[in-house]
Amino acid sequence: DTEVTQTPKHLVMGMTNKKSLKCEQHMGHRAMYWYKQKAKKPPELMFVYSYEKLSINESVPSRFSPECPNSSLLNLHLHALQPEDSALYLCASSPLRVGGSKQYFGPGTRLTVT
Amino acid sequence: AQSVAQPEDQVNVAEGNPLTVKCTYSVSGNPYLFWYVQYPNRGLQFLLKYITGDNLVKGSYGFEAEFNKSQTSFHLKKPSALVSDSALYFCAVRDWMRDDMRFGAGTRLTVKP
Repeated sequence: DTEVTQTPKHLVMGMTNKKSLKCEQHMGHRAMYWYKQKAKKPPELMFVYSYEKLSINESVPSRFSPECPNSSLLNLHLHALQPEDSALYLCASSPLRVGGSKQYFGPGTRLTVT
Repeated sequence: AQSVAQPEDQVNVAEGNPLTVKCTYSVSGNPYLFWYVQYPNRGLQFLLKYITGDNLVKGSYGFEAEFNKSQTSFHLKKPSALVSDSALYFCAVRDWMRDDMRFGAGTRLTVKP
């Protein structure tokens, strides 16, 4: 199984809502990533988990809260978001510290904040 | 720090003609370079990578890329473009120290019939 899955595909939420994005992979990868992508722009790194521990936080606002419950699962908890947070949220995974390894991307969750 | 640059926002080619999407890189140490493609409202799909070895790398869907160390370039090429190749293309470099990927700004390729 060489696939990264993400749920939901689409999410519309109000600024006072709490929601979560889910990402799953079963390739045994020990590095997992969250990216935010605006239209026609490159993905922006948000968080990196290595061995289920947060290793990189790219100064992301606290209204985004990542969680890695186990080596296959990555969540992104959302609370009190702003309309400018509307974007495509991409999850990715890769083997850890293998410089030549590609990242495997999920299809993304299209988030709209109203 | 590792970085890549894509000098063209948009590339237009006619179907059947060769295409080139440009990428230059700046790295310390060995470069790990990648090309990804993104179709509308989709995730990124891996096309090819350069790690070491032959400067001409062959990838998915008939794409290839030429690594040029003296020009610090890694241009994506295809001998004969298809309308279905129209998409957003990203060049990327792997920062193995941080275990993350740095992306270029992207190039929108449009292939016209």
